[in-house]
Parts: sequence; structure tokens; C-alpha cells
Amino acid sequence: NAGVTQTPKFQVLKTGQSMTLQCAQDMNHNSMYWYRQDPGMGLRLIYYSASEGTTDKGEVPNGYNVSRLNKREFSLRLESAAPSQTSVYFCASSSDRGGHEQFFGPGTRLTVL
Amino acid sequence: EDQVTQSPEALRLQEGESSSLNCSYTVSGLRGLFWYRQDPGKGPEFLFTLYSAGEEKEKERLKATLTKKESFLHITAPKPEDSATYLCAVRGLYNFNKFYFGSGTKLNVKP
Repeated sequence: NAGVTQTPKFQVLKTGQSMTLQCAQDMNHNSMYWYRQDPGMGLRLIYYSASEGTTDKGEVPNGYNVSRLNKREFSLRLESAAPSQTSVYFCASSSDRGGHEQFFGPGTRLTVL
Repeated sequence: EDQVTQSPEALRLQEGESSSLNCSYTVSGLRGLFWYRQDPGKGPEFLFTLYSAGEEKEKERLKATLTKKESFLHITAPKPEDSATYLCAVRGLYNFNKFYFGSGTKLNVKP
């Protein structure tokens, strides 16, 4: 089992460019999440999806869109990147059963110039 | 508003020197308090879930405890390989799909 995978691992964009961050999980989890991690601020929730076909905003959704393509995949899109979106982005998934602990991917380090 | 505060921000220990990390939280009904370990350049790795005051969980040199307002991660006789950032998160009763994270404690254990 690969767990949670993310692509790409690194990306450099110019202001105004767009890109999509991909995430997939093979644990048959219903819930998936996108976070950003900035120095001194911890992990902040951007969007989450409680099940296939549903998405909801987290703490910091402005400037982002998401798509829950199927149960396995949850993508994050930046339509017009800004320097304030320079961050490390983590995808996570969790089961609706048991402890609801989240399993995280390795992250995407994004720099917007 | 659900909130998590971790202290200290950074902690330097000598190998074998036991200590504790603190996680204070404010949440409208606790559905779970989670501890994670994060190594540089990697995603957080799950350690423990605690649900109610008085609960304790252990794993090797780590022991997590929970009260109604805070949680402690006790590290007994740490080794250099315990060096990492430790994150705390809470899940509330009403926003149960949202997890609120603290900014972490960066632990450095010197040999």
C-alpha cells in the first residue's frame, strides 16, 4: 500500500500562473483534506471532502478550488497563483470508522515568484 | 472558536533527559485530540488519539495524557532519533470534519 501520494513534490510558479496539485489514497477512506503549512503557523485546512462528490471550505479557502474526482483522488487547483500562496501543501485522508486519525502525504513545496 | 496552542516552540534535551511537551486547547466538545510527529521534509505521522480526560496512551518512550484543557506528551529518556517536530490537533463536536492544529514543538535531542 502506498498510503497517500502527492504530485508534484516541488513546483515553482510565476505570479498569475495556474496549476493543479494531485492527491490519491489507496486506503479506501471517505474523507480527504488539503492543508497548507507555513513557518510558525502550523497546518491550516484549505478544503476538505467528507465523501465522494462533496467538498467544503476550511479555514483558508480563498484562491483555491478543489475537485473530488472519485473516492481515491482529491485535487487542489490554484487558478491565479500569488506569492502569498508560497507554502508546503499536504493532502491527508481519514476513515469514518475508528479513531478518525489522518494519514498524510509527503507534501508539495510550492514557490510563487 | 476551536484553538490549539503548543509550548514550548522549541526544546533542546540531552540524550536521556526526560521532559514534557504541552498542548492547550479550546474546543466546543472534544471528539478527539491527536498527536503527530513530523520529520523535516515529510508529512506528519500519526502517534496517538485521546478522547476523554484521564486517558493515557504509550508508545516506546512516548506517553500522552489528557485533561479537560490540555494534553501532555511525556518523553522518557529520549534518544537522538526522537528529534522531530511534534504536532497536536483537536477535532470538535460541531465541526467534526475539521481538525485544528497547533504550530508544533520542535524537539532536538543531543547525544
